[in-house]
Amino acid sequence: DGGITQSPKYLFRKEGQNVTLSCEQNLNHDAMYWYRQDPGQGLRLIYYSQIVNDFQKGDIAEGYSVSREKKESFPLTVTSAQKNPTAFYLCASSIVGLQPQHFGDGTRLSIL
Amino acid sequence: RKEVEQDPGPFNVPEGATVAFNCTYSNSASQSFFWYRQDCRKEPKLLMSVYSSGNEDGRFTAQLNRASQYISLLIRDSKLSDSATYLCVVSYNQGGKLIFGQGTELSVKP
Repeated sequence: DGGITQSPKYLFRKEGQNVTLSCEQNLNHDAMYWYRQDPGQGLRLIYYSQIVNDFQKGDIAEGYSVSREKKESFPLTVTSAQKNPTAFYLCASSIVGLQPQHFGDGTRLSIL
Repeated sequence: RKEVEQDPGPFNVPEGATVAFNCTYSNSASQSFFWYRQDCRKEPKLLMSVYSSGNEDGRFTAQLNRASQYISLLIRDSKLSDSATYLCVVSYNQGGKLIFGQGTELSVKP
């Protein structure tokens, strides 16, 4: 079945540690996105990519990094510079801009 | 002012009720509009796109008023399974950046 797969579902980070969240899609979508959701709040865009080997910062990119080496994959690294990383992280993809986005089932990141 | 604003609710309604949500957006250049549904601790799922002429999908009707910059969602004959948070979403550039409202929580009671 086509879809977006995020892993792991739950992730715990120690202080000063970098962690990488995986996002893979087999929908043949060009565009991929990373969002962060905090309790009781809307989604905020971290990074997005419209094409392989290219990506742009969203509204809250500080403390995060991404890569887009393959069309299917858009991993997100939460670096030690992100001081408040505890949140629900959602990856999404779409055919092109202005089209609806389809989401993976998310990764919950917590600090140990 | 937030780019997309929704009444957070919660809206508590009995089964069978009709409920309407409104959403306002600040950027007049907005081009695409959507309603997403998010269940507790789950990912958002596309409920429906919103077209200028208004559109209906079963018990759900979405309308867009560009002049007043608001979007609405009407749910008729509410079911228990409609309980969720409804997210209003707009997009206004080719990059596909979506702007999410904070969501309106709906709770349908027996």
